[in-house]
Amino acid sequence: QVQLQQSGPGLVKPSQTLSLTCAISGDSVSSNSAAWNWIRQSPSRGLEWLGRTYYRSKWYNDYAVSVKSRITINPDTSKNQFSLQLNSVTPEDTAVYYCAKTENDAFDIWGQGTMVTVSS
Amino acid sequence: QSALTQPASVSGSPGQSITISCTGTSSDVGGYNYVSWYQQHPGKAPKLMIYDVSNRPSGVSNRFSGSKSGNTASLTISGLQAEDEADYYCSSYTSSSTLFYVFGTGTKVTVL
Repeated sequence: QVQLQQSGPGLVKPSQTLSLTCAISGDSVSSNSAAWNWIRQSPSRGLEWLGRTYYRSKWYNDYAVSVKSRITINPDTSKNQFSLQLNSVTPEDTAVYYCAKTENDAFDIWGQGTMVTVSS
Repeated sequence: QSALTQPASVSGSPGQSITISCTGTSSDVGGYNYVSWYQQHPGKAPKLMIYDVSNRPSGVSNRFSGSKSGNTASLTISGLQAEDEADYYCSSYTSSSTLFYVFGTGTKVTVL
C-alpha cells in the first residue's frame, strides 16, 4: 500500500527557510493520476492547504495565494519523493506540516506529520 | 477564502446516530461533488473517511455516510462507538482564486 514518510527539522529560526521531504513508497511521484500536496495544521489557522505538484506529461505546481511568494514544492524522481521549501518564516508558520496524496480530489494518504516550530 | 463552517462539537451516546454539517458556498461545496471527510485522533494524521460526497474508501466502516444539499454537506455516523470519538474535518475543492482546496473548521465528536 502507499505510504508517505516525512523528514526534516523541527526547529527553524525566524527569517530562515523551512525544508521538509516526503518519501513515497508504493506509488510514483510521476503518477499520471495522483497529486502530491503539503498541508499544515495549527490551532490558529486550522488545516490549511499549501500547495501541490503533479505530473501530466509535464510537471505542474499550484500554490495557495497566502504563501505563494515564499513556497516551492519540488518533485525528485530519482528518489521518488517531493519536498517543501518555505522561505522567510515567522512564528506564524509554526504548525504541524503534513504531506498528502490526492487522487480524485481527496487526500487519501497522509504522512505522519512534522511539528515545526519557528523560534530563535 | 474562508474555511468551511462546522459545529465546534457534537455528542451522542453509544449506539446513537449523529450528523455533522459542513457549510460552504457555491464556489466550493455547492459547486462540486468533491467533498471529503477526515477523522483525526489526537496526535495522529487525518484519515480519509468519505470522498466525492458519499463514497467510502475500502476499509472504512459503513456506519459512516455522507451527503450534500446545496452548499451544505453532512457526515452521519450511525451506531456510535467509543472509537469514533475524534475530530472530524470536511474539505472541498474550490474555484477560489486563492487556493484549490479548503478545509472545515473541525468538529469534536464526543461519545458520552
